[in-house]
Amino acid sequence: EAAVTQSPRNKVAVTGGKVTLSCNQTNNHNNMYWYRQDTGHGLRLIHYSYGAGSTEKGDIPDGYKASRPSQENFSLILELATPSQTSVYFCASGEGSYEQYFGPGTRLTVL
Amino acid sequence: GQQVQQSPASLVLQEGENAELQCNFSTSLNSMQWFYQRPGGSLVSLFYNPSGTKHSGRLTSTTVIKERRSSLHISSSQTTDSGTYLCALEPGANTGKLTFGHGTILRVHP
Repeated sequence: EAAVTQSPRNKVAVTGGKVTLSCNQTNNHNNMYWYRQDTGHGLRLIHYSYGAGSTEKGDIPDGYKASRPSQENFSLILELATPSQTSVYFCASGEGSYEQYFGPGTRLTVL
Repeated sequence: GQQVQQSPASLVLQEGENAELQCNFSTSLNSMQWFYQRPGGSLVSLFYNPSGTKHSGRLTSTTVIKERRSSLHISSSQTTDSGTYLCALEPGANTGKLTFGHGTILRVHP
């Protein structure tokens, strides 16, 4: 059973629209992370969380919000999507400084 | 400058050859992880290796903190090894935040 799942797997949005990407983990890890992957930039950290109710800004948080309503769920929210946010988004879970486990990714296209 | 440098950027092998992938870093190190990614795929963890040497089948990871480097050795390569190999480190802050290298693209020909 996949321990980190993401939905949707593919999404097409319009500029100015709201987009919510969801992540669920069954690892019972305290930490969860949102990254985006772009050619030429590699993977970059957007937001992360140390537990339910907590969110922290990563390296590139502008234009994104995050929500961690429970241990299992961590969402990434684009209130006003822009074409520059077209990317592949990965969610991951981990415990402290130990190994991180990644979800399958969400391919987002903003037109 | 970039904190994590991977080399080579790309590598082409004939099946059966060995490969050595390098990851050099300019910051302190709390943890190091190696991932494998197929085109369009997710990241599969190969090694969590903050120091020393670890083995898994045909793969060996070695991290030498004082030399600020980590390596991934692939022996007897197979066509199914083709893909991108990424290293990621957590700078010494115990946050779990990973900084990734840009990866090495490996192609193994039959």
